[in-house]
Amino acid sequence: DIQMTQSPSSLSASVGDRVTITCRASQYISSYLNWYQQKPGKAPKVLIYGASSLQTGVPSRFSGSGSGTDFTLTISSLQPEDFATYSCQQTYSSPVTFGQGTKVEIK
Amino acid sequence: QVTLKESGPALVKPTQTLTLTCTLSGFSLSTSGMRVSWIRQPPGKALEWLARIDWDDEKFYRTSLKTRLTISKDTSRNQVVLTMTNMDPVDTATYYCARTPYDSSGVYPFDIWGQGTMVTVSS
Repeated sequence: DIQMTQSPSSLSASVGDRVTITCRASQYISSYLNWYQQKPGKAPKVLIYGASSLQTGVPSRFSGSGSGTDFTLTISSLQPEDFATYSCQQTYSSPVTFGQGTKVEIK
Repeated sequence: QVTLKESGPALVKPTQTLTLTCTLSGFSLSTSGMRVSWIRQPPGKALEWLARIDWDDEKFYRTSLKTRLTISKDTSRNQVVLTMTNMDPVDTATYYCARTPYDSSGVYPFDIWGQGTMVTVSS
């Protein structure tokens, strides 16, 4: 199985901050990388698919980049509703696998 | 409106069989290219994909759990059912179903998820 490793595991940031989360795959996955946001007690919600495509309805402050094994999710200006856990997922090979999550907390 | 909703027991005893139902609304699993998966998340831990069933009844399972899992669909009732045998306390988790419509790019993200159902395994 392909292992997905996110860093950091958690971070504290203030409203308006630029936030960057990294995801590294244990092997090549091209651009088959998705990012999800999950709030406590809720299901995940897809933000970015195909490494850099913004899901319909997701604010443009979210962006994704990368290919191969290294990927980044960036929130350009953190908003109060963005405090959540973010997870990456590879769909390059079966089984699809997820990162362990990055919790974004209020500073 | 496209929704998925999981249902099933909140508590099962060790060694019992868990049966979960995912009821689809606003779309059909008989639509060409449609896929529905089950994913679970133990408390405080990462998401883990379990199984998938496709519009053409093709099925896929997590290798490590393959002997314990069965996924099926009832198109007339618009439901997907997952059974997991020989439940253990380590199977305690929130279980989600999620759909993946046909994706020409091949990326296939889970675009709509159910609310999840928490299952506790305890005697």
